[in-house]
Amino acid sequence: AQTVTQSQPEMSVQEAETVTLSCTYDTSESDYYLFWYKQPPSRQMILVIRQEAYKQQNATENRFSVNFQKAAKSFSLKISDSQLGDAAMYFCTYSVETSGSRLTFGEGTQLTVNP
Amino acid sequence: GAGVSQSPSNKVTEKGKDVELRCDPISGHTALYWYRQSLGQGLEFLIYFQGNSAPDKSGLPSDRFSAERTGGSVSTLTIQRTQQEDSAVYLCASSLGSAGRVQYFGAGTRLSVL
Repeated sequence: AQTVTQSQPEMSVQEAETVTLSCTYDTSESDYYLFWYKQPPSRQMILVIRQEAYKQQNATENRFSVNFQKAAKSFSLKISDSQLGDAAMYFCTYSVETSGSRLTFGEGTQLTVNP
Repeated sequence: GAGVSQSPSNKVTEKGKDVELRCDPISGHTALYWYRQSLGQGLEFLIYFQGNSAPDKSGLPSDRFSAERTGGSVSTLTIQRTQQEDSAVYLCASSLGSAGRVQYFGAGTRLSVL
């Protein structure tokens, strides 16, 4: 079975500090794509960052970066200089082309940012 | 252009009634996905449309659920004879093809079955 595990149901961080959200996944495919999405109370999923599994270089997007460890099937998200607007539910997901690129989601991590 | 639009935003219905949920994808996006988000099951895939190909219905939980996509654009998810366990947020997403493309989501429809 293809699965995604986010072991931290809740995390909190002080404004301007750094926080890391953990994610592990399991797939037998060799070619796949990994994503982090955030879901604020408005319900709309917003892409945070994307990583191609064939690329060794970790993706970065402004204050957001990932630590992609393919052999360990680990894909953690680091948020630097946390802002109040970063508070949301964060989902780790992946897709494989053989499954029509549907997203397989983790359980989510609720991030609170304290002023 | 506009993002993915879903309607209605909220829907309250009585058990046993049929409901239709609508999704307007981003113009030009050939792939369209429906997901369901519920407290007990998390986020789960329901159905996938890609261009003119036959849809992938493998995620539909029962034969009470169906979906269509007309003209390669608007999609409607229909739930017949609704049950209380159908209560959830139904999310629609679209993308430029598949193969690892980013999926853009609508704000979802919150369905409450009384």
